[in-house]
Amino acid sequence: SAVISQKPSRDICQRGTSLTIQCQVDSQVTMMFWYRQQPGQSLTLIATANQGSEATYESGFVIDKFPISRPNLTFSTLTVSNMSPEDSSIYLCSAPDRLGNYGYTFGSGTRLTVV
Amino acid sequence: GEDVEQSLFLSVREGDSSVINCTYTDSSSTYLYWYKQEPGAGLQLLTYIFSNMDMKQDQRLTVLLNKKDKHLSLRIADTQTGDSAIYFCAESRDLTGTASKLTFGTGTRLQVTL
Repeated sequence: SAVISQKPSRDICQRGTSLTIQCQVDSQVTMMFWYRQQPGQSLTLIATANQGSEATYESGFVIDKFPISRPNLTFSTLTVSNMSPEDSSIYLCSAPDRLGNYGYTFGSGTRLTVV
Repeated sequence: GEDVEQSLFLSVREGDSSVINCTYTDSSSTYLYWYKQEPGAGLQLLTYIFSNMDMKQDQRLTVLLNKKDKHLSLRIADTQTGDSAIYFCAESRDLTGTASKLTFGTGTRLQVTL
């Protein structure tokens, strides 16, 4: 299956600042996905990132707050902008596994605490 | 919209079987997944099943799918303390060659006691 390196693994940030999370996949993938997992909750999709086009955001998430870059087929970033304590969550990226395998691999997650 | 529900908590004794249940509402789901999340860790894919199957077995894991009732279960045989984690079911509407988002259940915390 695909392997995703995600960093940072955790960070503590001041409110009003921004944090950029990076994910590197060990194979080329057309689509990557960014999820948020609030404390004690399930995962919610933030957006789908296609290489060469604008990301597609889910209801409740906007580009100004969560800008995404997808410069090539192995890399993506998610920025959490103008942070508030409500943004404290685990953020995870995901990509489909290799051809013929319908699983999805996840990065190890970024645990963000906003103070 | 899609809705995926799970019971919140399950406690079993080491060596017993665990059965974690999941119900979903989207009849167009094509793949259903089970993920494991240990404390402080990301998500580990355990197994998945295509919607035209009713059972899949992989070592200690057995997945049962009742498509009519939109009910999915994960059975873990001979449960060990290392199986203690949160288990998420998820569904997707993958089309051939096209990935799609996963919709996750609420998660079931499995506690294994000695």
